[in-house]
Amino acid sequence: DTAVSQTPKYLVTQMGNDKSIKCEQNLGHDTMYWYKQDSKKFLKIMFSYNNKELIINETVPNRFSPKSPDKAHLNLHINSLELGDSAVYFCASSQVARVPGYEQYFGPGTRLTVT
Amino acid sequence: AQTVTQSQPEMSVQEAETVTLSCTYDTSESNYYLFWYKQPPSRQMILVIRQEAYKQQNATENRFSVNFQKAAKSFSLKISDSQLGDTAMYFCAFSGGGADGLTFGKGTHLIIQP
Repeated sequence: DTAVSQTPKYLVTQMGNDKSIKCEQNLGHDTMYWYKQDSKKFLKIMFSYNNKELIINETVPNRFSPKSPDKAHLNLHINSLELGDSAVYFCASSQVARVPGYEQYFGPGTRLTVT
Repeated sequence: AQTVTQSQPEMSVQEAETVTLSCTYDTSESNYYLFWYKQPPSRQMILVIRQEAYKQQNATENRFSVNFQKAAKSFSLKISDSQLGDTAMYFCAFSGGGADGLTFGKGTHLIIQP
């Protein structure tokens, strides 16, 4: 069984569109994350969410918004897509509350291409 | 805020050799966690090894070991008996233990030559 899954794995869309990426984890973890990996492979945290607290990286444009329907899901919504949003987006999860510093498990990534 | 620096953008070694990837970090926190993640061409992020800052003993996982020097804020990864499957991007990462996510270095592209 896949621990952290993301859909879709590839997403090609035009500038100005709105799109969503879904993420689900079946590990029972309490915290989920979204990361962006740019064309130079640099990984940067965008959001973390643990069903009570949302931590937003201040550099993330407000066109990006995470939405969590329940503890096992954290979806990423992106409005008015721009060329610079093209990247690979990774979802991850970890068990923070009981095991501080517990490793994060990553999804397979979603390659977003904005044309 | 913490920073993580990987000074080797790319390294290449022969199969079966030992290779060491360097990582330094900067933080004002006293307790934290350090990780090495591997990203092969499949792009999946795979945890290689984990180190807790309060533990003096260096972590080891089979052919992978770390040299953790807390005072120097250094966290290098040693890969022994390197294999072709070790070819990948390797990322050093820092966690303060809370829910604010990992801070990654820029990565080292490791190539194992046959």
